[in-house]
Amino acid sequence: EAGVAQSPRYKIIEKRQSVAFWCNPISGHATLYWYQQILGQGPKLLIQFQNNGVVDDSQLPKDRFSAERLKGVDSTLKIQPAKLEDSAVYLCASSDPGQGNSYEQYFGPGTRLTVT
Amino acid sequence: QQQVKQSPQSLIVQKGGIPIINCAYENTAFDYFPWYQQFPGKGPALLIAIRPDVSEKKEGRFTISFNKSAKQFSLHIMDSQPGDSATYFCAASGGTGGFKTIFGAGTRLFVKA
Repeated sequence: EAGVAQSPRYKIIEKRQSVAFWCNPISGHATLYWYQQILGQGPKLLIQFQNNGVVDDSQLPKDRFSAERLKGVDSTLKIQPAKLEDSAVYLCASSDPGQGNSYEQYFGPGTRLTVT
Repeated sequence: QQQVKQSPQSLIVQKGGIPIINCAYENTAFDYFPWYQQFPGKGPALLIAIRPDVSEKKEGRFTISFNKSAKQFSLHIMDSQPGDSATYFCAASGGTGGFKTIFGAGTRLFVKA
């Protein structure tokens, strides 16, 4: 079974520029999550999708961050314009609510964003 | 009410030692408590998890102890090995209005050979 795929793995941009991250979850996983992990901290949920609908985006800075999930499969997370404090690793995870343990999340390798 | 507090921030043990990492939560609606292991450059991976109806769970060298009344849980790593050197995150999932997962801040473990 292929894992969660993310690209790019690394990105360096200047502040006020825009950036987009892509995630392909495990096949059949209906739930997809985007987390922000700042160095030295635990992952913080930005947005959670169930199929292509948003379940929770309460911690997404909506003035600059946006996310969509295309046809309930792939997802993109965009930042526009970026700020210095957006420097972090952006993790995508997926889970299968149809399985017995629907809470188990499978994480991708993340995208390390540096904003200069 | 949504915080998960994790300690210590870092831990160094000798090979064969038993590192213990502690977590505390506030929201009694949480009903799933996983531990994730993260190596540099990788995403977190589920290590072991427990639900509040049991007080202890073992999987290989990893044990979770759970104290529901104190709202605390801990991870014990038996016979620790240098390959266990990683960052460990506790988390709490569940809650009202659809489930959330809240992560602790992480513990960086180093096991000396």
